Amino acid sequence: GNSVTQMEGPVTLSEEAFLTINCTYTATGYPSLFWYVQYPGEGLQLLLKATKADDKGSNKGFEATYRKETTSFHLEKGSVQVSDSAVYFCALNYGGSQGNLIFGKGTKLSVKP
Amino acid sequence: GAVVSQHPSWVICKSGTSVKIECRSLDFQATTMFWYRQFPKQSLMLMATSNEGSKATYEQGVEKDKFLINHASLTLSTLTVTSAHPEDSSFYICSAPREGMGNQPQHFGDGTRLSIL
Repeated sequence: GNSVTQMEGPVTLSEEAFLTINCTYTATGYPSLFWYVQYPGEGLQLLLKATKADDKGSNKGFEATYRKETTSFHLEKGSVQVSDSAVYFCALNYGGSQGNLIFGKGTKLSVKP
Repeated sequence: GAVVSQHPSWVICKSGTSVKIECRSLDFQATTMFWYRQFPKQSLMLMATSNEGSKATYEQGVEKDKFLINHASLTLSTLTVTSAHPEDSSFYICSAPREGMGNQPQHFGDGTRLSIL
């Protein structure tokens, strides 16, 4: 079946460190891929997305590239800030343009000053 | 600001009580809303798809008589956990896609933490 596997956290980094959060997926067909972020005390927000192979989603310094050959969508940021501390969820959409999402378990990121 | 409002954010009640959770789209209409459930350190799992003007579509293994969904208007969906028991304690999250935005995923509410004693 369709699923998303995300690296387990928590991940603790110092400010300005490089971030990678791994995400791989299993899906039939060609899903769209997403990263959502949940800041403390807030709801989930879309961080970035990619809808087809080799697409790169980017936002707020974060990037992720849709890799069909490795079924991956790893999240990266070159220099994290304390304000990036949050839980990050990788997700895929297989139900059409506005169908439901399948989520990974989430990775908690803590950035220390 | 928030575009999907969920209420209440936290509820604690006795076993056997029925609990209603509301999900509202604040500045757009949503003919479809989704209800998810999240256990500690687990993924968000889709429970059901709420459809305005028709019956909700439930995922396999979700009891429709236990989790009643009513999509009363184009901006409101409610989830009622009937005769709740401790095993129903969880974090419930709703989401709504903004219509006409193409392949744009949903806006999420802040979630409701339900604790059944």
